[in-house]
Amino acid sequence: GAGVSQSPSNKVTEKGKDVELRCDPISGHTALYWYRQSLGQGLEFLIYFQGNSAPDKSGLPSDRFSAERTGGSVSTLTIQRTQQEDSAVYLCASSLESSAGRNEQFFGPGTRLTVL
Amino acid sequence: GDSVTQMEGPVTLSEEAFLTINCTYTATGYPSLFWYVQYPGEGLQLLLKATKADDKGSNKGFEATYRKETTSFHLEKGSVQVSDSAVYFCALSDSGSARQLTFGSGTQLTVLP
Repeated sequence: GAGVSQSPSNKVTEKGKDVELRCDPISGHTALYWYRQSLGQGLEFLIYFQGNSAPDKSGLPSDRFSAERTGGSVSTLTIQRTQQEDSAVYLCASSLESSAGRNEQFFGPGTRLTVL
Repeated sequence: GDSVTQMEGPVTLSEEAFLTINCTYTATGYPSLFWYVQYPGEGLQLLLKATKADDKGSNKGFEATYRKETTSFHLEKGSVQVSDSAVYFCALSDSGSARQLTFGSGTQLTVLP
């Protein structure tokens, strides 16, 4: 595709509900990354995929957060039992590979999540 | 762990003024360094990068030089334009864990006509 796309662009949900955020990476990019951008915390790394596997889940803030990637392409970030502190812009990025020198990351427009 | 410290904002300049946004880093390996820009209402875009010491990244009149001795990657532009108004993020990707980007806190730049 032309770039990384994310959906929805905006999501408003009630506290305690589950949400799913979707990311379509650039075609041919094997590495995919999720970040969170919030006022208090800046830009935080959440999780990274190489192909369908996630060797680094260190940034997930709690066990309410999970992510999967199928077919080496689309990824879904799921937040269960949302809390108000989950309100943020969730950014997805992809790169050709994850190795140094080939890991220039291209970002999507983000999903703005608001938990009421 | 890795960290990036970035000049606090906001920064307000008049058109054609000189811009410097300071960035210093701490990393365990030999990082690649980046400047990303976020224009109002848009996503993050890579502005420039440098992958080894003494490399100079440049794009759209912006420059930054990878200084290993001072662990710095300061962003400069000789003459800013109103269209440069945006948030600028310094970031690194460590060679030892060349996966995630570690970002600075961002610097809001406003250029007045």
